[in-house]
Amino acid sequence: GQQVMQIPQYQHVQEGEDFTTYCNSSTTLSNIQWYKQRPGGHPVFLIQLVKSGEVKKQKRLTFQFGEAKKNSSLHITATQTTDVGTYFCAGREVGTGANNLFFGTGTRLTVIP
Amino acid sequence: ETGVTQTPRHLVMGMTNKKSLKCEQHLGHNAMYWYKQSAKKPLELMFVYNFKEQTENNSVPSRFSPECPNSSHLFLHLHTLQPEDSALYLCASSHGGTSGRADTQYFGPGTRLTVL
Repeated sequence: GQQVMQIPQYQHVQEGEDFTTYCNSSTTLSNIQWYKQRPGGHPVFLIQLVKSGEVKKQKRLTFQFGEAKKNSSLHITATQTTDVGTYFCAGREVGTGANNLFFGTGTRLTVIP
Repeated sequence: ETGVTQTPRHLVMGMTNKKSLKCEQHLGHNAMYWYKQSAKKPLELMFVYNFKEQTENNSVPSRFSPECPNSSHLFLHLHTLQPEDSALYLCASSHGGTSGRADTQYFGPGTRLTVL
């Protein structure tokens, strides 16, 4: 079955440092989504990537979808304490229905002021 | 955000109790989901309802019983739970259908369940 792994599982950075989390799928994806869950909160949708090699930016966040559509990354430039939380990727395998979204294992980011 | 609401927010129950979790979405979506989030595991999809029909049941024990009376409401009935069932139970909804953003998940705040 489809598996979506993320690395690293945990990341501690000093405020102002950059941060990257990587998402790898065992199967080709039709799209990839990213979510952020603040401590004590619930996952909140950030962005969706659909095209091979697609890159999207949201202020200090850069999202990339791999050429083979099996991996993705989220890069945060100059982290701030408000970036603290767990970042999840979620993907749907090509050929499966709209409800079959698999979430990655998540990367928990801690930002040290 | 008030698009997806869940009650109760916290629940403590004994192993012999019967309780129900409630989820309501005000987004006009057609698909609703139950997820389980434990401390050391990724989000686990439990059940999916699309246009009120159950389309996914990922090997969830029968002590969890979902109910979807309409596209806006989703329940999770609990009975004879085990301590290892303690977790955050998240409800989510999505547009459903075949549009490009059909499966974007909108999550509720969750119910923190503790089974004694």
